[in-house]
Amino acid sequence: NAGVTQTPKFRILKIGQSMTLQCTQDMNHNYMYWYRQDPGMGLKLIYYSVGAGITDKGEVPNGYNVSRSTTEDFPLRLELAAPSQTSVYFCASSPGAGPYEQYFGPGTRLTVT
Amino acid sequence: GQNIDQPTEMTATEGAIVQINCTYQTSGFNGLFWYQQHAGEAPTFLSYNVLDGLEEKGRFSSFLSRSKGYSYLLLKELQMKDSASYLCAVPMRDDYKLSFGAGTTVTVRA
Repeated sequence: NAGVTQTPKFRILKIGQSMTLQCTQDMNHNYMYWYRQDPGMGLKLIYYSVGAGITDKGEVPNGYNVSRSTTEDFPLRLELAAPSQTSVYFCASSPGAGPYEQYFGPGTRLTVT
Repeated sequence: GQNIDQPTEMTATEGAIVQINCTYQTSGFNGLFWYQQHAGEAPTFLSYNVLDGLEEKGRFSSFLSRSKGYSYLLLKELQMKDSASYLCAVPMRDDYKLSFGAGTTVTVRA
């Protein structure tokens, strides 16, 4: 049971480039989330999904897009990368709503220059 | 929305006790989570409180007072491996989305 996996671990992008951050979970969780974490700022929710085919915006969705075609995968797309998107990105999943812990992937450290 | 406050940093000695406070304001309460995050790693779940009182789990305990909008995480018999950031989180109005505090960095010194 690998849990939540993310690729790549590190990436440097030039301004204006695009990329997709991959996230896969093998726990059959319906709920999946994307967060970004800036130094001293805590985790901010970008997008979330409550099941395949269903996604919605979180607190900071601008500049990002997501899709959820399967239960396992929840990729995050960055279009036209900007320096403000330099951050650490975490994907997480949980089995349901309410008092369930979220399981986090190891993160992707992204630098946009 | 949620407003979550916790101290930025705390330092303690190996073997000591440290208490990390968290205050929150929320439009509807659906429990409070504590996560641990070592530097460069992902957050991992520590505890969940939904009722008032103290929940003990080994060397770690978590307390909640809903009327005061207050929680604390108590770390006893500190070990060097407890050096980490501790994140307080409360669900947003839709209870599956968490709002996180900025985290408290605990440094354990020998």
